[in-house]
Amino acid sequence: GNSVTQMEGPVTLSEEAFLTINCTYTATGYPSLFWYVQYPGEGLQLLLKATKADDKGSNKGFEATYRKETTSFHLEKGSVQVSDSAVYFCALSATGGSNYKLTFGKGTLLTVNP
Amino acid sequence: EPEVTQTPSHQVTQMGQEVILRCVPISNHLYFYWYRQILGQKVEFLVSFYNNEISEKSEIFDDQFSVERPDGSNFTLKIRSTKLEDSAMYFCASSEAQRFYEQYFGPGTRLTVT
Repeated sequence: GNSVTQMEGPVTLSEEAFLTINCTYTATGYPSLFWYVQYPGEGLQLLLKATKADDKGSNKGFEATYRKETTSFHLEKGSVQVSDSAVYFCALSATGGSNYKLTFGKGTLLTVNP
Repeated sequence: EPEVTQTPSHQVTQMGQEVILRCVPISNHLYFYWYRQILGQKVEFLVSFYNNEISEKSEIFDDQFSVERPDGSNFTLKIRSTKLEDSAMYFCASSEAQRFYEQYFGPGTRLTVT
């Protein structure tokens, strides 16, 4: 079956530090890949996506590249801000048919200190 | 900006009782989903719903669970006889037909079964 593995948290960084959150996946076929973010007290928000190999998703300074050869979709940001403190979820959606469900990783809590 | 809403934000119930969790998806969306997250674990898919019927369900979604779209705006998840292990955060999501992979999530309902 499909699965997503992301690095264990929590991750604590100082403002303006470089962020990487690793994510690898197992899936049949060619899934679409996503990063969702959950700010305290809020729902999951789609941060970025990539629907085919070598695509780069980007939003709000965050980037992730769909690497089929390493089955990875690592999240990066060059300079984090305090406002980026949240839980980040890597997810995939299998393609084909009516199988639109998302399979999530466990989530990584990021805390950015001033 | 349109958003998915969920009520209540927190529900406490006794084991064996029935609960109904309510969601109002984004108005022009056609696909609806329920996910849950047990504390400290992954967000897990429960069920997807399209055209007034279930399109897919997970092994978690047994006979104790049901979903309904009773009118043009609400989407509900009913648990007939709650168990302690049903305690979790329940997320509703919706997506439009053309961009099914962009699922918009509500803030969640925290269900506590005592």
